[in-house]
Amino acid sequence: AQSVTQLDSQVPVFEEAPVELRCNYSSSVSVYLFWYVQYPNQGLQLLLKYLSGSTLVKGINGFEAEFNKSQTSFHLRKPSVHISDTAEYFCAVAHYDKVIFGPGTSLSVIP
Amino acid sequence: NAGVTQTPKFRILKIGQSMTLQCTQDMNHNYMYWYRQDPGMGLKLIYYSVGAGITDKGEVPNGYNVSRSTTEDFPLRLELAAPSQTSVYFCASSRKRSDTEAFFGQGTRLTVV
Repeated sequence: AQSVTQLDSQVPVFEEAPVELRCNYSSSVSVYLFWYVQYPNQGLQLLLKYLSGSTLVKGINGFEAEFNKSQTSFHLRKPSVHISDTAEYFCAVAHYDKVIFGPGTSLSVIP
Repeated sequence: NAGVTQTPKFRILKIGQSMTLQCTQDMNHNYMYWYRQDPGMGLKLIYYSVGAGITDKGEVPNGYNVSRSTTEDFPLRLELAAPSQTSVYFCASSRKRSDTEAFFGQGTRLTVV
């Protein structure tokens, strides 16, 4: 079975500072990896995904993530955050017909 | 495009009442999902469907039922509401299997009192 851990439940960061949101997963089989963002009172929307190929994946809004197979990690990064990045971020792993979501990390950008 | 539409947006139920959460998508996606979101718990899969007439249980199916008579619609039924079912419910759809983007509705906030 697959599982997802997001090590930080809350991450406060000042505007224009860099941020890294951590995600680790466990799986005995190959999986697909995703990051979704949820703005207040909205559904989730896809930021980026890793299916295969280059381990550095670029997504929308300046975010990127790096797949590290040996460390079973898929950390999300942004070099300079904006107030509008304040949201909940979910890491997810997928295998066949199932997608498992992590508990989420709440990113708060401080002016 | 409407995408995934959920109704209602908010609902308060009394213990023991029943209700149906509606979900419809206009993207002709085969795959549809129902999740519940509880604080600090992420999203838990309740039921999913890989096509019309086919449904399967997810991680937390107890107390819920679904049907998929058409490609567009995937209603979630709560038969005997319990306080433990207080949550935010999200419907989602995707074009094919788990390697494609899932599109989410805006959610239904349900309170059982």
